[in-house]
Amino acid sequence: AQTVTQSQPEMSVQEAETVTLSCTYDTSENNYYLFWYKQPPSRQMILVIRQEAYKQQNATENRFSVNFQKAAKSFSLKISDSQLGDTAMYFCAFRLNPGYALNFGKGTSLLVTP
Amino acid sequence: EAQVTQNPRYLITVTGKKLTVTCSQNMNHEYMSWYRQDPGLGLRQIYYSMNVEVTDKGDVPEGYKVSRKEKRNFPLILESPSPNQTSLYFCASRPGTGDQPQHFGDGTRLSIL
Repeated sequence: AQTVTQSQPEMSVQEAETVTLSCTYDTSENNYYLFWYKQPPSRQMILVIRQEAYKQQNATENRFSVNFQKAAKSFSLKISDSQLGDTAMYFCAFRLNPGYALNFGKGTSLLVTP
Repeated sequence: EAQVTQNPRYLITVTGKKLTVTCSQNMNHEYMSWYRQDPGLGLRQIYYSMNVEVTDKGDVPEGYKVSRKEKRNFPLILESPSPNQTSLYFCASRPGTGDQPQHFGDGTRLSIL
């Protein structure tokens, strides 16, 4: 089974600063997807960014980018120019390709302060 | 608007009283799944369905049932709910092929007393 580890239960960052959330995973497979989901207080699960394992280039979505290190099985999320609306729980998730299940980490609670 | 709809959004009930949480998607997705979210544990998959009449257990299926009689609907059934099933539940769907991510419903908060 694939496991996903988020080693930072809580983090805090000041508005406009940059923060990096860490995620590591364990798999013996070579083809998979990685995701970061955001869960604000409204509880919705919102896809932030995704990465295909076969792509060496790190994915970016506006202020969000990832550092994907396949050999190290690491998939960290960098949030630049943090905004108050970024306050949320962030989940890292893994899915085999082909595969059906999303395996989630336990989450990192991010607080952005003024 | 493409969406996954769960009902109810909130429910407080008592031990042993059968309940069903409905899930419906309007995107013609083949794959649907149920997750539960508990503090400190993240989201864990309960059951999933690859298509109509095809379902399989996830990581935490005990105490739950599902059915997939129609492509758009994937209800979660708790035949005899117990307090340890108090949780936040999410339904999700995605196409059966390709690299599309899952679309999540807005969640259902269940409290079993």
